[in-house]
Amino acid sequence: QVQLQESGPGLVKPSGTLSLTCAVSGGSISSSNWWSWVRQPPGKGLEWIGEIYHRGSTNYNPSLKSRVTISVDNSKNQFSLKLNSVTAADTAVYYCARLYCTSTSCSLDPWGQGTLVTVSS
Amino acid sequence: EIVLTQSPGTLSLSPGERATLSCRASQSVSSSYLAWYQQKPGQAPRLLIYGASSRATGIPDRFSGSGSGTDFSLTISRLEPEDFAVYYCQLYGNSPRLTFGPGTKVDIK
Repeated sequence: QVQLQESGPGLVKPSGTLSLTCAVSGGSISSSNWWSWVRQPPGKGLEWIGEIYHRGSTNYNPSLKSRVTISVDNSKNQFSLKLNSVTAADTAVYYCARLYCTSTSCSLDPWGQGTLVTVSS
Repeated sequence: EIVLTQSPGTLSLSPGERATLSCRASQSVSSSYLAWYQQKPGQAPRLLIYGASSRATGIPDRFSGSGSGTDFSLTISRLEPEDFAVYYCQLYGNSPRLTFGPGTKVDIK
């Protein structure tokens, strides 16, 4: 079955760029799915960041759109997140997930285990 | 933008009791795109229900979802110790493509 694993620096300086990668195993990223990033500040709820299709099409949360770039590397079966101009408010656990769509529904499944990124000097 | 509201914020119940969680959308939505997730401390969310009422693979039948239009619910028929967690509803839509509710915490009374 498909599994996802996030990786990247756990500490980013204010005004810097947060960079994370999600490795997909047990299936091809080039299958007919969108691949998403979701974040969760400590003790708070879930916020969708954006998504990418294997051909490179993207959709972003309007609240983050000006600072976010999601890209895909089909040869490595992985996709990536970059969030620039970070502040302490971007401190969160970052999850990657597959948007699994049937003919009648779309939901996030499975999810990676998540990685905590702290923005601090 | 469609906003999801969940109630109550916290539900305090005992094992064996029935839990009913509510998710309300700010405007009518397709039930096809309403999902529920369970999240335990330190873990990633887990898909429970998709299409408002279909259980995901491996989800026990004590979990059920229902609703249409603006009002949806997740019911846990008899709470097991492992069911005490936070539950989120989620809508797949237009912009933003995915929206989550604020969550309902089910804790032990």
